[in-house]
Amino acid sequence: DSGVTQTPKHLITATGQRVTLRCSPRSGDLSVYWYQQSLDQGLQFLIQYYNGEERAKGNILERFSAQQFPDLHSELNLSSLELGDSALYFCASSVGMGGEGYGYTFGSGTRLTVV
Amino acid sequence: LAKTTQPISMDSYEGQEVNITCSHNNIATNDYITWYQQFPSQGPRFIIQGYKTKVTNEVASLFIPADRKSSTLSLPRVSLSDTAVYYCLVGDKAAGNKLTFGGGTRVLVKP
Repeated sequence: DSGVTQTPKHLITATGQRVTLRCSPRSGDLSVYWYQQSLDQGLQFLIQYYNGEERAKGNILERFSAQQFPDLHSELNLSSLELGDSALYFCASSVGMGGEGYGYTFGSGTRLTVV
Repeated sequence: LAKTTQPISMDSYEGQEVNITCSHNNIATNDYITWYQQFPSQGPRFIIQGYKTKVTNEVASLFIPADRKSSTLSLPRVSLSDTAVYYCLVGDKAAGNKLTFGGGTRVLVKP
């Protein structure tokens, strides 16, 4: 157990639908990062939050949004889902704004299947 | 952000030492080097991090030459369970670090 909790572990939904993925960071970590991993594209950075504020943005689609709450948990919202959104979504956390020292701690991921 | 280049794959045998070299020619002064291991359908796991010279922990060693344009992850005496994808990342400790994972190196350990 890495200390980063992601729910749900598996999600199957239809095209056009909206889903919310949840992440609780490791205790004491202030940064949360979201990554998407599909078979053909590897690990793609989506977005980072640090202590509730958006810190960095990667290749995140406009249909996707995220936020980090005062208790530091984060949610990734995916809407108007398409077949190509099927992937593993990982959340990671770190103490500071970057991964210096101990890197990022990743959760076990949410596997999203869009049918 | 510094771009990294790693071999796509490598094979080894149980008990051997595996060395994976990562090139990062445009590494910046503030950048540190981190290696992760990933098993199928699992999140990447931090292995080791360094800035210069040599770093060793209980699972691996990281060798960084003086010019820091490359780094080598050394896995001593690998076992079948070390079969995984290994990623080299170069990042800045400053804010807004968008650590980008490259393609990684698929290591296959054979009996």
